[in-house]
Amino acid sequence: KQEVTQIPAALSVPEGENLVLNCSFTDSAIYNLQWFRQDPGKGLTSLLLIQSSQREQTSGRLNASLDKSSGRSTLYIAASQPGDSATYLCAVNRGYSTLTFGKGTMLLVSP
Amino acid sequence: NAGVTQTPKFRVLKTGQSMTLLCAQDMNHEYMYWYRQDPGMGLRLIHYSVGEGTTAKGEVPDGYNVSRLKKQNFLLGLESAAPSQTSVYFCASSYQANREQQRPQHFGDGTRLSIL
Repeated sequence: KQEVTQIPAALSVPEGENLVLNCSFTDSAIYNLQWFRQDPGKGLTSLLLIQSSQREQTSGRLNASLDKSSGRSTLYIAASQPGDSATYLCAVNRGYSTLTFGKGTMLLVSP
Repeated sequence: NAGVTQTPKFRVLKTGQSMTLLCAQDMNHEYMYWYRQDPGMGLRLIHYSVGEGTTAKGEVPDGYNVSRLKKQNFLLGLESAAPSQTSVYFCASSYQANREQQRPQHFGDGTRLSIL
């Protein structure tokens, strides 16, 4: 059974700091991995999707990497801002887009 | 730009009552999903559909039924609600060209369901 773990569970940083969120999965036979953002009381917003054949994806200040063989992905946020405060979730695709989610990292960026 | 719309947004039920949650998407997506999100458990897949008239079980399907009579709608039913089904329910949809080539899933804002 696929298990997805996110470390740390919570993170508090001052504005402007660069930070890394970690995601690991137990079964490397995935099709792709997706990073989401969830604001309190809201649904999930897709940030980045990395196909299994790719090593990384970038969008603005966000960069996600994927090492399928070691079962790891990282989300790098550059020059963090208070507006980045949210819960970040990673999810792996088991087929037919059925996702297995981690429990998330709650990020707080203070001004 | 409606995207994925869930109704209702909040609901309180008594144990044993039944109800249906509605999910509607206007993006012509083939795939639709129902998840539940519980503290400390993360999001878990209940049921999903790969096209009109199809449904399949996810990780936690017991106590729920689904129907996909129209491509744009995916219904989640609770026949006899139990306190263990108190949760936040999310619907999502996506377009997928084939099994491996995934497109991002688009989520609704959730339905907060309490069962007393």
